[in-house]
Amino acid sequence: SQTIHQWPATLVQPVGSPLSLECTVEGTSNPNLYWYRQAAGRGLQLLFYSVGIGQISSEVPQNLSASRPQDRQFILSSKKLLLSDSGFYLCAWTQSLNTIYFGEGSWLTVV
Amino acid sequence: QQQVKQSPQSLIVQKGGISIINCAYENTAFDYFPWYQQFPGKGPALLIAIRPDVSEKKEGRFTISFNKSAKQFSLHIMDSQPGDSATYFCAATGGSEKLVFGKGTKLTVNP
Repeated sequence: SQTIHQWPATLVQPVGSPLSLECTVEGTSNPNLYWYRQAAGRGLQLLFYSVGIGQISSEVPQNLSASRPQDRQFILSSKKLLLSDSGFYLCAWTQSLNTIYFGEGSWLTVV
Repeated sequence: QQQVKQSPQSLIVQKGGISIINCAYENTAFDYFPWYQQFPGKGPALLIAIRPDVSEKKEGRFTISFNKSAKQFSLHIMDSQPGDSATYFCAATGGSEKLVFGKGTKLTVNP
């Protein structure tokens, strides 16, 4: 069966520091991968999606970036965090356009 | 065309009551309508989904009703329980379109 792992689960970072969130999917090949952000009590905002290695599409311009160095690995990064980057970050995968499966999420607090 | 409008934003129901969450869409290319359930601090999980060739789908206490002509679909939770307290997201996809989420409904079921 397929599983998705996302880490770290929580982190507190100072403003201006770098960020790296990592996500891996097991049990499938060539998945579509996604990064979503969810502000407290808010909806799901699609940040990036990838249909293959090295192929990244950005939905919202910001100081975040994403990379897909391997088929089942998706990384969310920032060189300098802003206070507004705080939120709940969710990695997700799908093999089709229909059902998306989410990871457990990473809580980021920028202080 | 890309939006899925979800209402209400929040809902309080007594134990044993019926919870109803509504969604509306515009894009006639959408042909798959899933609902996701998210508990606090967790990633959303697929709850139930429907395709427009049926008007209703039931899984246990959860029912999706679909009105193709009105471009509306709704989630009914019968005999609501405190354990159903969560945020619910409707979504839609179809053709070559990525999954589009509603803004979510926070359901509280009082004991």
